Amino acid sequence: SQQGEEDPQALSIQEGENATMNCSYKTSINNLQWYRQNSGRGLVHLILIRSNEREKHSGRLRVTLDTSKKSSSLLITASRAADTASYFCATAPNTGTASKLTFGTGTRLQVTL
Amino acid sequence: EADIYQTPRYLVIGTGKKITLECSQTMGHDKMYWYQQDPGMELHLIHYSYGVNSTEKGDLSSESTVSRIRTEHFPLTLESARPSHTSQYLCASSGEGEAFFGQGTRLTVV
Repeated sequence: SQQGEEDPQALSIQEGENATMNCSYKTSINNLQWYRQNSGRGLVHLILIRSNEREKHSGRLRVTLDTSKKSSSLLITASRAADTASYFCATAPNTGTASKLTFGTGTRLQVTL
Repeated sequence: EADIYQTPRYLVIGTGKKITLECSQTMGHDKMYWYQQDPGMELHLIHYSYGVNSTEKGDLSSESTVSRIRTEHFPLTLESARPSHTSQYLCASSGEGEAFFGQGTRLTVV
């Protein structure tokens, strides 16, 4: 089963609005990552937040992490049509060199003009 | 720019054929992954390797097999393709941080 659950499953907003996506996970983690996927393509890494960090920024992206609630959120500010894509969270468990990256179910974001 | 490559990009093949999907990376990463993804759906981990000669089955059962004889190479093989194998297959590699993905192979079995 998937480590992460994301909500909403789909989100449609207008250009200029902010988009917020949430990710919940089940086990202890070393870090949590967010990825973007354009239709039919591979995933591209956006941002990584470590378990001892609470917030991180990168351009128009803001990620928060609450390890007590086992949840994270991704905020995209001032969205653009080019932000239309699927967004996935991924967790790296805190269990050593054999640990594997596990992805959530994804949020499909549609930004309209 | 990610240095991970998948070939072929698209493959249409008849039922019963044997196929191998290639994945290579030049970053020296120990961890490599194969994911299966249907359009607009979540990624399912089907195979994982954390080093040479180490492979594990993923969360989703798959009839495919993998090998990891060299660090940079992680091919996936289907001995006898079936229409139910039609999907997109994504390969990725990682060190201790972010993962890098190939562009994927879209497989159609007719």
